[in-house]
Amino acid sequence: DAGVIQSPRHEVTEMGQEVTLRCKPISGHNSLFWYRQTMMRGLELLIYFNNNVPIDDSGMPEDRFSAKMPNASFSTLKIQPSEPRDSAVYFCASRVSGTDNEQFFGPGTRLTVL
Amino acid sequence: AQSVTQPDIHITVSEGASLELRCNYSYGATPYLFWYVQSPGQGLQLLLKYFSGDTLVQGIKGFEAEFKRSQSSFNLRKPSVHWSDAAEYFCAVGGYPYNDKIIFGKGTRLHILP
Repeated sequence: DAGVIQSPRHEVTEMGQEVTLRCKPISGHNSLFWYRQTMMRGLELLIYFNNNVPIDDSGMPEDRFSAKMPNASFSTLKIQPSEPRDSAVYFCASRVSGTDNEQFFGPGTRLTVL
Repeated sequence: AQSVTQPDIHITVSEGASLELRCNYSYGATPYLFWYVQSPGQGLQLLLKYFSGDTLVQGIKGFEAEFKRSQSSFNLRKPSVHWSDAAEYFCAVGGYPYNDKIIFGKGTRLHILP
């Protein structure tokens, strides 16, 4: 199993640009989570999906952030327009819903907004 | 409200010494408890988890944790640390039954002296 796959691993962009982060969950997992990790705030849950449906997006910081899951094997997190304070590591995780809560994490995308 | 407290931001121990990382949680129902480890530049990896039964749980890499309901604690231990254990450790709590969201602590960074 390839594990959770995230791309790109690193992204450097300028303020105001659109950024799209991508995630492929583990095959057979039907829950997907997006987290943001910063030194100041630690690991924050942004949004999660069950069976491709967004269940809780209360952690999405602003309307500039949006997430989609068009099918069971792909999700995107988009920031438009990006700002320097969005600089962080963004993790995607997946698991099988309805079982124990172990989540499997991807390697993360390190985003730098200049 | 659900919360996880890891009171130690940094801990330094000598190689071969014993280790205990502290974790306290606040949760209104039966908790699921986890310890994850994050090596530099990597995603989070599950070390161990507790749902029910024996309050002393064994994990990977020689780690163990003890659930103490009366103290709302789930401390992580290892009898003898190795240089490769240098990483950041996260305690997390989720709910029963199968609550999708888990709450992470801010993490404890472990440094190993040769």
